[in-house]
Amino acid sequence: DIQMTQSPSSLSASVGDRVTITCRASQSVSTYLNWYQQNPGKAPRLLIYGASSLQSGVPSRFSGGGSETDFTLTISSLQPEDFATYYCQQSYTSPDSFGPGTKVEIK
Amino acid sequence: EVQLVQSGAEVKKPGESLKISCKGSGYDFTNYRIGWVRQMPGKGLEWMGMIHPGDSDTRYSPSFQGQVTLSTDKSISTAYLQWSSLKASDSAIYYCARRTRYRSSWYDYWYFDLWGRGTLVTVSS
Repeated sequence: DIQMTQSPSSLSASVGDRVTITCRASQSVSTYLNWYQQNPGKAPRLLIYGASSLQSGVPSRFSGGGSETDFTLTISSLQPEDFATYYCQQSYTSPDSFGPGTKVEIK
Repeated sequence: EVQLVQSGAEVKKPGESLKISCKGSGYDFTNYRIGWVRQMPGKGLEWMGMIHPGDSDTRYSPSFQGQVTLSTDKSISTAYLQWSSLKASDSAIYYCARRTRYRSSWYDYWYFDLWGRGTLVTVSS
C-alpha cells in the first residue's frame, strides 16, 4: 500500500498570509493526488483533483502542484473560512490512502 | 439536489450488529462508486473501501477486509456499511462519498466529490 505523509502537521498563520502544505507519497502516484478541506464537525470538501485541477466552486486562492511523490497545496491569501484541516489523498492505486492531515490555525 | 443522505447516529453495545445507510439522490446512483471513510475521534480520514452500485464490485482496504461488509440496493439508490460484531474501537464517524471520474486525454482521475454528512457510531458497554 502507498503511504502518504504531510508536513507540517499543524501551522499557525494570519489572515492574508500565503500558506503552503506539503504531501509526500511513499512511491510515485503520478498526478493522481487530491486535496480536501475539513472544517470541524463537517464532512470533507474536495478542493483539488489530479494534483492541480481546481474543483468547481473552489476559490482561486487555492492551488495545487507537484507530481510523482511530492505535492503542494498553496493558499495564496488565507481567509477566515480557510482555518481548517487539509488532507491529501492518492487515488493511483487501490486502496486509496489519505495523508494524516495538516491543521491550519489562527495565529 | 445532488446529495448523499446518511442514516442517523447509533449507540450500540460491543458484540452487537449494525448496518448504516447512505442514500443518493439527484444523480444516476448506479454510475458512480460509493466509498466509505472512517474518522475516529480527533483523528484523520481512513479509506475503508468502495462499491459499485451497478455491478456490486467491491474493494476493501486490507485494514478493513473481513471487519465490515459493503453492499448496495440500487432499486432505492442506497449503499450500506455493516458490522456483524461491533467493538469499542469501531466508535467513529463514518462518511460515505461519491467517487467520480474525470477523464482527460492522458489520465483518468478519481476523487470523492460528493460527501454525506457522516454517521456517528458509538460502541460502549
